[in-house]
Amino acid sequence: GAVVSQHPSWVICKSGTSVKIECRSLDFQATTMFWYRQFPKQSLMLMATSNEGSKATYEQGVEKDKFLINHASLTLSTLTVTSAHPEDSSFYICSASKGGTGNTIYFGEGSWLTVV
Amino acid sequence: KQEVTQIPAALSVPEGENLVLNCSFTDSAIYNLQWFRQDPGKGLTSLLLIQSSQREQTSGRLNASLDKSSGRSTLYIAASQPGDSATYLCAVPLRTGANSKLTFGKGITLSVRP
Repeated sequence: GAVVSQHPSWVICKSGTSVKIECRSLDFQATTMFWYRQFPKQSLMLMATSNEGSKATYEQGVEKDKFLINHASLTLSTLTVTSAHPEDSSFYICSASKGGTGNTIYFGEGSWLTVV
Repeated sequence: KQEVTQIPAALSVPEGENLVLNCSFTDSAIYNLQWFRQDPGKGLTSLLLIQSSQREQTSGRLNASLDKSSGRSTLYIAASQPGDSATYLCAVPLRTGANSKLTFGKGITLSVRP
């Protein structure tokens, strides 16, 4: 079946540094991927839509200069948290749709970010 | 703005019990509805997807129903097992399109006691 892979699974970084998270669709091409953030005991909140070959579309309240998204190929989107702060500590998950009539969304395993 | 609600937030049942998880949404113009399972600290696994034209979908011990007019969906789990313990989320995309972004409920954390 379709698989979406994220890397790293967890990362600890110092406040003020930048961290990059990768999201790959392993056996299908995804022109669109989505980035979500999930705080403990909360639901997933969409951060942005990543479009291959064009700029990402950010949800209201999400700083595009802080959360840089690059979708350089049909199988890879990256989220870079710039100048990270402790309040950015969260679980980040990406998703991709295989398309077609089913529209099943496949999620990555998620990436835990802790900013100290 | 679409809002998805799941109540209660947590549920604890003894092993073997049949149970129903509820999901409601405010905008009935949905393309489909999807149920996911999330284990602690993990990503999401898609369980069932119901197209807007369908009323239910079944997979093993799971059965999901959809009533668009009332803005409700249920996930029925038969003969629950401790391995079913997880958080169950429902989500809907807005309008049409294979690449629509999803709006999630907060999830129901299920605990099945041995």
